[in-house]
Amino acid sequence: DTGVSQNPRHKITKRGQNVTFRCDPISEHNRLYWYRQTLGQGPEFLTYFQNEAQLEKSRLLSDRFSAERPKGSFSTLEIQRTEQGDSAMYLCASSSLRGNQETQYFGPGTRLLVL
Amino acid sequence: SQQGEEDPQALSIQEGENATMNCSYKTSINNLQWYRQNSGRGLVHLILIRSNEREKHSGRLRVTLDTSKKSSSLLITASRAADTASYFCATDFVNAYKLSFGAGTTVTVRA
Repeated sequence: DTGVSQNPRHKITKRGQNVTFRCDPISEHNRLYWYRQTLGQGPEFLTYFQNEAQLEKSRLLSDRFSAERPKGSFSTLEIQRTEQGDSAMYLCASSSLRGNQETQYFGPGTRLLVL
Repeated sequence: SQQGEEDPQALSIQEGENATMNCSYKTSINNLQWYRQNSGRGLVHLILIRSNEREKHSGRLRVTLDTSKKSSSLLITASRAADTASYFCATDFVNAYKLSFGAGTTVTVRA
């Protein structure tokens, strides 16, 4: 399968615990995005990487959140001291810019439930 | 905050009928894209229309874009049960390719 993959697909944790999610993008894509989606809403941008450089972070990304893309391939998103409000679907997307347009291809998401 | 707003929020149609949904956005865009999401799954890209285009087709999909009204529409013709999903419009901006999504239109196609 050459699509975007995310692991785990589901995560249940207790408030205060740390969690880490992984995203493996399409291999030739140099851009990688993280979004968060809550029930009944569209995805909201969190952060993005071009190769290994983190170029933008949303104000939604509090200091409890950190994302890395150490070798410009896979990425991890860590949430420290989780809160119930962190419960959401975390989506990863990858793309390759062509001219001034790009199509972002999404993974299946990681659904987080904080108890 | 979300840039786009889809209308209607929900749509129920009979198989074989056409489904039309609209998207309005607030600021000037570079491209507008439509995505489909089946319940609890990731998003599937459907079609991209550039800001200098007015209409685009892909199979049973037809997208229009009116930049003067800051709005777009997605038409699905001859709907099938498999088209049951949520549909989102997403916009991006010049030199800023993160996507801004609306809240989506939930489409139910009845057999």
